[in-house]
Amino acid sequence: GQNIDQPTEMTATEGAIVQINCTYQTSGFNGLFWYQQHAGEAPTFLSYNVLDGLEEKGRFSSFLSRSKGYSYLLLKELQMKDSASYLCAVTSYGQNFVFGPGTRLSVLP
Amino acid sequence: SAVISQKPSRDICQRGTSLTIQCQVDSQVTMMFWYRQQPGQSLTLIATANQGSEATYESGFVIDKFPISRPNLTFSTLTVSNMSPEDSSIYLCSVEDYEMSHNEQFFGPGTRLTVL
Repeated sequence: GQNIDQPTEMTATEGAIVQINCTYQTSGFNGLFWYQQHAGEAPTFLSYNVLDGLEEKGRFSSFLSRSKGYSYLLLKELQMKDSASYLCAVTSYGQNFVFGPGTRLSVLP
Repeated sequence: SAVISQKPSRDICQRGTSLTIQCQVDSQVTMMFWYRQQPGQSLTLIATANQGSEATYESGFVIDKFPISRPNLTFSTLTVSNMSPEDSSIYLCSVEDYEMSHNEQFFGPGTRLTVL
């Protein structure tokens, strides 16, 4: 099976940088996704990593190390609207998406 | 990307009753999924809805409790049967679609269910 771990909650200040970590254990790794979910809304796609390294997309970047079973989502220039839950999800060959427990981020003024 | 709608958006139900949730996609998709998200929790996959055959259920979920229909490639229903307060949750359908270089899941807006 798959095991995914994320910090439960994080707090950061507007304008700052925050890094949300995700560790996973799986066989047949086939990709890692980050989703953002605002309270009461559906998850929306943020990023996808399948190869080692950093993927940058505006204020958001995601990093993957397959050998370490580790990913992080980096959010720069934090805004109040970034307060949300961030879900790490892993896919493996022949298996469906498995979501981590999610990290609830609070951005304070 | 696929656009997904769900009905109802929310409902309050009595213990012992059943509720059917509908999921409609604006394009034909092969893979449709049903998830449950309990308050403050992450998403748990209930089942994969297969067109033309029975749904494939994850461990801990059974067809008698969560019957699923998938009559065509754009529509699915999930029924929550004989409800109890423990079934209070958000139920989300999603579809898998190929985007750029990878398969990605797109989610419907969810159905917020409260069981009294």
